[in-house]
Amino acid sequence: SQKIEQNSEALNIQEGKTATLTCNYTNYSPAYLQWYRQDPGRGPVFLLLIRENEKEKRKERLKVTFDTTLKQSLFHITASQPADSATYLCALSYGGTSYGKLTFGQGTILTVHP
Amino acid sequence: DTGVSQNPRHKITKRGQNVTFRCDPISEHNRLYWYRQTLGQGPEFLTYFQNEAQLEKSRLLSDRFSAERPKGSFSTLEIQRTEQGDSAMYLCASSRGQGDTDTQYFGPGTRLTVL
Repeated sequence: SQKIEQNSEALNIQEGKTATLTCNYTNYSPAYLQWYRQDPGRGPVFLLLIRENEKEKRKERLKVTFDTTLKQSLFHITASQPADSATYLCALSYGGTSYGKLTFGQGTILTVHP
Repeated sequence: DTGVSQNPRHKITKRGQNVTFRCDPISEHNRLYWYRQTLGQGPEFLTYFQNEAQLEKSRLLSDRFSAERPKGSFSTLEIQRTEQGDSAMYLCASSRGQGDTDTQYFGPGTRLTVL
């Protein structure tokens, strides 16, 4: 079965630095990959989506890359701020009849220190 | 507020009791999803609906779990004969159901504690 791993449970960085989070998967590549943010006690909030035929997507201070050869996605937050502190989840979807059904990684807890 | 709402937000029950959760999706969203999340893990897919039709159900979902969306609007998730292992956050999400990349909007979740 498909396995998704996010590189670390926790990542601590200083304000202003770039945070880089990793999402690795096994077996076959998904049709698309999404990144979500989750704050304690709340549901995930969608951030970015990248398709299997796309290399990079950007939105304001966020950037996502997708390498189907390495079976890896990187999520970057530039000029990080303490307000960026949260759990970040990657999620995969394989399209076809199961499109919309998301398989999530375990998440990475990001803490940005002032 | 026109976001996804879930009730109750918290539920404490004794082992063996039945519980029912409700999810109200964003209006006009055709798809509705249920996920379960335990501490330190990402959400795990349980089932989803396209309008009132239940299209897929996780193999991990035991027969004690049942979900309905009778009129294609709100949905209920029932757990019968609860077990301590059912303790988790139950998340509902909805989407427009248009195309294979439509965004899912999550509710705040219902936290279930089984004593």
